[in-house]
Amino acid sequence: EPEVTQTPSHQVTQMGQEVILRCVPISNHLYFYWYRQILGQKVEFLVSFYNNEISEKSEIFDDQFSVERPDGSNFTLKIRSTKLEDSAMYFCASSYPDRGLNTEAFFGQGTRLTVV
Amino acid sequence: AQTVTQSQPEMSVQEAETVTLSCTYDTSESDYYLFWYKQPPSRQMILVIRQEAYKQQNATENRFSVNFQKAAKSFSLKISDSQLGDAAMYFCAYSGGGADGLTFGKGTHLIIQP
Repeated sequence: EPEVTQTPSHQVTQMGQEVILRCVPISNHLYFYWYRQILGQKVEFLVSFYNNEISEKSEIFDDQFSVERPDGSNFTLKIRSTKLEDSAMYFCASSYPDRGLNTEAFFGQGTRLTVV
Repeated sequence: AQTVTQSQPEMSVQEAETVTLSCTYDTSESDYYLFWYKQPPSRQMILVIRQEAYKQQNATENRFSVNFQKAAKSFSLKISDSQLGDAAMYFCAYSGGGADGLTFGKGTHLIIQP
């Protein structure tokens, strides 16, 4: 069964450093997403990406964040200068539109980011 | 903005019994999707069931079914014949369609008592 894969599973970084989280969405999917879950809290939407551009972003997705689809398969989230409060589980997801509407998002297993 | 409310932080049920998890939402849209996701200790988000708002019939997936009340903006999940493997966090989520991201509730921690 096709699945969304994320690498690495766990990333530890120094405060102020840049990190890139990587995702390979399901191959025929057209919408791509990043979500964040701070430990013990709900999952929060960061950004959606469609047709090689950002479709929607939340207030969390500020200038320190960026996304890219550098080739036909990878989808990355870059955090330019990490802060302690960026420590969280980051989930990538993808979906395929049905009747022009969204279908369910398939999630990757997540990357646990720890900023020290 | 859409909101999703799960009023039960934790629920406990005996194995083989039935449990219902509550979810309400707020939206001004008429067409949208609702989902229940399961998050086990591994923390991966697993889709349990989905409901299209334009469908009056409640979705079912084996032991999982929903009670979708569009006028009341209510979307509860019923788990029948609860199993130990059902123990997890359950998140209710809303999507308005297109490239809309999911709006999640705060989750309900489901405990299965053997």
